Amino acid sequence: DAKTTQPTSMDCAEGRAANLPCNHSTISGNEYVYWYRQIHSQGPQYIIHGLKNNETNEMASLIITEDRKSSTLILPHATLRDTAVYYCIANNNAGNMLTFGGGTRLMVKP
Amino acid sequence: KAGVTQTPRYLIKTRGQQVTLSCSPISGHRSVSWYQQTPGQGLQFLFEYFSETQRNKGNFPGRFSGRQFSNSRSEMNVSTLELGDSALYLCASSLGTNQETQYFGPGTRLLVL
Repeated sequence: DAKTTQPTSMDCAEGRAANLPCNHSTISGNEYVYWYRQIHSQGPQYIIHGLKNNETNEMASLIITEDRKSSTLILPHATLRDTAVYYCIANNNAGNMLTFGGGTRLMVKP
Repeated sequence: KAGVTQTPRYLIKTRGQQVTLSCSPISGHRSVSWYQQTPGQGLQFLFEYFSETQRNKGNFPGRFSGRQFSNSRSEMNVSTLELGDSALYLCASSLGTNQETQYFGPGTRLLVL
């Protein structure tokens, strides 16, 4: 898996958009970008994933740059319940082996 | 659909003992992966089972082992427990094909005294 780099922590005001960046400059052509989050002491929760195109679901939007070297996860209207550690993962395994980095600790403040 | 379940949720053991953790995947999922999470090392992949066969293995000593049953339920075993094995053990299930989203259980928190 390509190495990903994320800021250690970020703050966001409740109700505002949270934009979480991820750098994956060595990503290969067949590696997808996955985002998971982990709320304190719970199991990680899948958010979204994509290969080249931008993706949107009920939880978030994923913007991948044209050269695929970086991406941004957007939580459009952050709530206090979005406070969590967010992990960006580049993955192309034939099996299911996710390589987690340190993630970004997002703190949503009232 | 019921999510991934793990039992027990909490466990206290002493050094030298062995422990078995259980994971029931989402119905229809054939792949079960196990992860260890500690404050120092973060989330690390242990192994993955698919159709009762270990398909991938992380960099952990042989004291860590697992198996999968025909109904896709999986167990992991840690023998000769060490203090450093204290961790949150997570399992995740997926359909098992390439690039499938993994769904995690709540984890088993193991404390080794």
